Amino acid sequence: EIVLTQSPATLSLSPGERATLSCRASQSVRSSLAWYQQKPGQAPRLLIYDASKRAPGIPARFSGSGSGTDFTLTISRLEPEDFAVYFCQQRNNWLSITFGQGTRLDIK
Amino acid sequence: QVQLVQSGASVKKPGSAVKVSCKASGGSFISYAINWVRQAPGQRLEWMGVIMPIFGAANYAPKFQGKVTITADKSTSTAYMDLSSLGSEDTAVYYCAAAAVAGTGGFDFWGQGTQVTVSS
Repeated sequence: EIVLTQSPATLSLSPGERATLSCRASQSVRSSLAWYQQKPGQAPRLLIYDASKRAPGIPARFSGSGSGTDFTLTISRLEPEDFAVYFCQQRNNWLSITFGQGTRLDIK
Repeated sequence: QVQLVQSGASVKKPGSAVKVSCKASGGSFISYAINWVRQAPGQRLEWMGVIMPIFGAANYAPKFQGKVTITADKSTSTAYMDLSSLGSEDTAVYYCAAAAVAGTGGFDFWGQGTQVTVSS
């Protein structure tokens, strides 16, 4: 099973700042990585797929990069509604999908 | 745009089973793979398995082989997840999530989640 490790566990920033979240895979997942946002009491929402492609309706301030084992989600200028938990997910093998443990993005 | 509506919360006894439903509307049910994911308190999201309603066959994560059964009824655009031999470790929120067969590859649409609590 491919293990995804996210860092940091918690990130405290202010609106308007830039957020950089990391996801590292225990072995290569090529570009088969997605990012999700989850707010309290809600289901996750797909932000990024194939490492760098924005899902429909996702604002341009969200961007993804990386391939192989190291990936980054960047939020260029934080809006108040961006404070949430972010998960990465790999589907290198579509019968063995795994998620990272999450990064909590808090308002500073 | 697909909307997924799940059945309500339930409390179950250890050793029993639970069946959660996921009804799709607003899109073509057979154009999606329906995944089941759970989120236990303080734990990461866990993928349990997937079904492609167009084919009817399900595939399961190794951890859940023999414990979960995923089915789909094309006539009602509803997917089901049966979880057996419940233990306290199965207390979690269970989500269905649709991935377009010819789409992003990610889980594009999610149900609202179903809380399953296992308690004696």
